Amino acid sequence: AQSVTQLGSHVSVSEGALVLLRCNYSSSVPPYLFWYVQYPNQGLQLLLKYTTGATLVKGINGFEAEFKKSETSFHLTKPSAHMSDAAEYFCAVSRAGGTSYGKLTFGQGTILTVHP
Amino acid sequence: GAVVSQHPSRVICKSGTSVKIECRSLDFQATTMFWYRQFPKQSLMLMATSNEGSKATYEQGVEKDKFLINHASLTLSTLTVTSAHPEDSSFYICSARGQGNSYEQYFGPGTRLTVT
Repeated sequence: AQSVTQLGSHVSVSEGALVLLRCNYSSSVPPYLFWYVQYPNQGLQLLLKYTTGATLVKGINGFEAEFKKSETSFHLTKPSAHMSDAAEYFCAVSRAGGTSYGKLTFGQGTILTVHP
Repeated sequence: GAVVSQHPSRVICKSGTSVKIECRSLDFQATTMFWYRQFPKQSLMLMATSNEGSKATYEQGVEKDKFLINHASLTLSTLTVTSAHPEDSSFYICSARGQGNSYEQYFGPGTRLTVT
């Protein structure tokens, strides 16, 4: 079974400050890992993903995340927050194979607030 | 590319009636579509996996007779909420996965269902 834990349901930063959203996962097989962003009353937009290869992945809007197998983490960062980054962020894990291939398990979500 | 649409975006229906939500992949063929439900301030919960031309696979605890899913073509899946009740009010989001060995899901914008 897979699970995802996002530490902190709410994160508040000042504009220009570092953004750090934490995600830890549990998976019995090598995982695929994703970060999605959701704006109010909208669907999900993929920010970035890790499948194989380089453990530091870069996504859209200046976000990046690092897969750390030893820590079972996939934290999302952005060096400088922008007001437009205010949204809810979801970390998700998917199996790389097997009968549950492609099925996503989401974390609880983290609401990011950016103050001027 | 990889655009998924949902219709309607919002729907209000009376208790006891049925409502159909459509999910379309606009520029690719989706062999698999997923239906999620999202309660306010909560994460996405997978309801069912829909494969073109076959019966949907429902997650544990989801009533298949209440949430009818049809995936009749490679670009269209529908979710029908039968005999809707106020507790069915929620945000329903679909996603679509392309053909081949694709693991990535593309999400629709969601449908807000309100049952009065």
